Amino acid sequence: ELKVEQNPLFLSMQEGKNYTIYCNYSTTSDRLYWYRQDPGKSLESLFVLLSNGAVKQEGRLMASLDTKARLSTLHITAAVHDLSATYFCAVSSTYKYIFGTGTRLKVLA
Amino acid sequence: DTGVSQDPRHKITKRGQNVTFRCDPISEHNRLYWYRQTLGQGPEFLTYFQNEAQLEKSRLLSDRFSAERPKGSFSTLEIQRTEQGDSAMYLCASIKGTGGSTDTQYFGPGTRLTVL
Repeated sequence: ELKVEQNPLFLSMQEGKNYTIYCNYSTTSDRLYWYRQDPGKSLESLFVLLSNGAVKQEGRLMASLDTKARLSTLHITAAVHDLSATYFCAVSSTYKYIFGTGTRLKVLA
Repeated sequence: DTGVSQDPRHKITKRGQNVTFRCDPISEHNRLYWYRQTLGQGPEFLTYFQNEAQLEKSRLLSDRFSAERPKGSFSTLEIQRTEQGDSAMYLCASIKGTGGSTDTQYFGPGTRLTVL
């Protein structure tokens, strides 16, 4: 059974600091997704990573994928308050998408 | 492109009642998913449609849950004899194509169900 684990589950960081969120998954998958969810809102797609070594960047967020290690990272550079949200990674297995439990990020001014 | 819509946005019901939710995907998106999300958890896969065919259904879905997608357009999710444990956010998502390179899911705003 495909399992997806994220850590940390909670992250409180100061504005301007850098940090990394980790996403591990248990079986082979060639696609990994990152989503953002604001409180009380639905999910917004951030990145789709399709192959080993893939790296994508958007603003202060950068995501990477290592399929051999079954690991993806979401790196936050010089955090700002607007990045406060819950971040989910997800992995596809045939037509199912399995989500991690999420990392709740709070950026303090 | 008006996005994925869901109706109702909130539903409060008494235990034992039946409820039905509707999802309208983005037009021309032939793949549609239903998820359940409880507080502090990630979305949990419930079922998947490709056009009007229901191709996969979670083992977690009891017989009280049923979903349809007539004509491959909108979809409905029905829960019969609701239980307090059914209280959650029910999310719908749609994707264009059949496994293409982007595979981005577009999520609706969700229906929050509270079972008293």
